Amino acid sequence: QVQLVQSGAEVKKPGASVKVSCKASGYTFTSYYMHWLRQAPGQGLEWMGIFNPSGGGTSYAQKFQGRVTMTRDTSTTTVYMELNSLRSEDTAMYYCAREARELGFDPWGQGTLVTVSS
Amino acid sequence: EIVLTQSPGTLSLSPGERATLSCRASQSVSSNYLAWYQQKPGQTPRLLIYAASSRATGIPDRFSGSGSATDFTLTISRLEPEDFAVYYCQQYGSSPYTFGQGTALEIK
Repeated sequence: QVQLVQSGAEVKKPGASVKVSCKASGYTFTSYYMHWLRQAPGQGLEWMGIFNPSGGGTSYAQKFQGRVTMTRDTSTTTVYMELNSLRSEDTAMYYCAREARELGFDPWGQGTLVTVSS
Repeated sequence: EIVLTQSPGTLSLSPGERATLSCRASQSVSSNYLAWYQQKPGQTPRLLIYAASSRATGIPDRFSGSGSATDFTLTISRLEPEDFAVYYCQQYGSSPYTFGQGTALEIK
């Protein structure tokens, strides 16, 4: 079955970087866009950007431009999201989600909790 | 950027009742690419409805979506105890792909 499995929780200090992985299985990796989203504690969902596993193209939300990088390793069918210059406001659950065009975002990864604290 | 406004913010109903949730867009949603997600505490969002009115795989038929352009509705015909959760609408027709702020459906 289609599945996205994310890396484990991270604790980082302000100013550091974090790299979260999302391993895809059960479908053709290069045929579907991947999105990254986040949800701060008790808050709503926020879209961060889209990644094309086929050509490596990206489009980032303006809020994260210059701070986020999305990449992939096709040999392991894994997509990565790296966020730099972390601050306390970046404390959140980070999700990857597959986009099946008109079918919406499904499935989602289980989430990776990133905590930024001094 | 398309801003999605959900109403009400909180909806208090009893099991067996009908729930109607609204999502209004600040401009027309391209191709009516509007989705609804359910999220329970500590869980990942679950896709319920895509393209405004199509149920995702495995979603019970008590969930239905309707609307077009700027006005969309999620209806739960008869609430089951497991339906009490937070519901988000999302437009994925144009970047940036935005979400509403959510409607919390709580037991009365």
